[in-house]
Parts: sequence; structure tokens; C-alpha cells
Amino acid sequence: AQTVTQSQPEMSVQEAETVTLSCTYDTSESDYYLFWYKQPPSRQMILVIRQEAYKQQNATENRFSVNFQKAAKSFSLKISDSQLGDAAMYFCAYRSVNTNAGKSTFGDGTTLTVKP
Amino acid sequence: EPEVTQTPSHQVTQMGQEVILRCVPISNHLYFYWYRQILGQKVEFLVSFYNNEISEKSEIFDDQFSVERPDGSNFTLKIRSTKLEDSAMYFCASSVQAQYEQYFGPGTRLTVT
Repeated sequence: AQTVTQSQPEMSVQEAETVTLSCTYDTSESDYYLFWYKQPPSRQMILVIRQEAYKQQNATENRFSVNFQKAAKSFSLKISDSQLGDAAMYFCAYRSVNTNAGKSTFGDGTTLTVKP
Repeated sequence: EPEVTQTPSHQVTQMGQEVILRCVPISNHLYFYWYRQILGQKVEFLVSFYNNEISEKSEIFDDQFSVERPDGSNFTLKIRSTKLEDSAMYFCASSVQAQYEQYFGPGTRLTVT
């Protein structure tokens, strides 16, 4: 079974600075998807970014980018020019492509605090 | 932009009562999911549903749980006899295909007293 580990329960960053959230995963599969979700205090789950394992190029969405290291099974999220609205819980998630079930496995989450 | 909706936003029920949580997935999506999140903990998969049947379910999804797509738009999660430990946020999600990104609803906060 796949597992997802987020080793940083809490992180903080100064407004306008850059922060990196870590995620590692364990799988025997060669093709899969990885996601970062943001959960603000409202508890809504918002998709931040997605990475297909077969793509070597790291995904980027505006101020959010990932560092995908397939061999190391690492998938970190970099937030540039941090804003107060980035404060939230961030979850890393894994999904296999070898199933029609579409189940996502989530990490424990990292709480990000943004200091003004 | 289309979105997944869930009702109610908050449900309070007494232990042993039946509850039905409702979701309206995005209209052209074919795959539907329920997840739950106990306060302060990770999001856990409950069940996935496709073509009017369960594709996969977790160990949490025991005989007390059931899902149904009663019509062309709603997707429901029923808990037959609620327990205190069922108190959690329940998220519905949908996707076009199993491998594509899942879009989550705003969640239903279930409180069992």
C-alpha cells in the first residue's frame, strides 16, 4: 500500500518570503499522480498543483511550484512571495493510475503560518 | 466554474440515529468519492463509486455505511447507526476519470452526541 509522509507538522514564513513544504511517499508503482491541496480554516479542500510521475518537468502554478524527485520519492511544494492568504493546512496526496477506483492517499498535513 | 456542493453544512445527531449526507457532483463527472477528516487529522478515503457501483472501499467503510446515486445528480452517504467516533468532516469529491484530479465539496461537519 502506498504511504505519504509529511515530516513538518508546522511551518512558518514571513510575508513575501519563500517557503518549502516537504513530502515523501512510498510506492512500487512507476506511474502515478501527486497533488498538493490547501485547506484554509474554512476546511474546504482546494487543489493547488498536480504532477504526473511520467513527466520530468516540475509543475508550476503562479507562485506555487514543486520539486519532484522521482528516484528519491520526494515531492516538495515551494511557495514564493508568500501572502497572508496562503496560511492554511497543506496536504500532499498520491493517486495510482493503475486503478479505476481513483482513491487518493493523503499525508498528515503541514500547517503553514504566514507572519506579516 | 462548476463545483461540488454538499448539504447540510453541519449536521448534529444523536448516537444510534441514521444520517444521510448529500452531495451533488460536477455534472459531467463519472467518478464519485467520500472522504472523512476527523478534526486535526488527515483526510481518509472511505469509498469510490463508478457506474452505479462501489469501485473500492476502505476498512472504515463497514456495514454501517452505504452510498447511493438515487438520481442523475445526487450522491449520498448513509450512516445507519451513528457512533461518537463518526464525528468528523465528510467530504464528497468527483472526477471526470479516476486518474484525473478530484474536486472536493465544502464538506459536511457531522457531530454525533
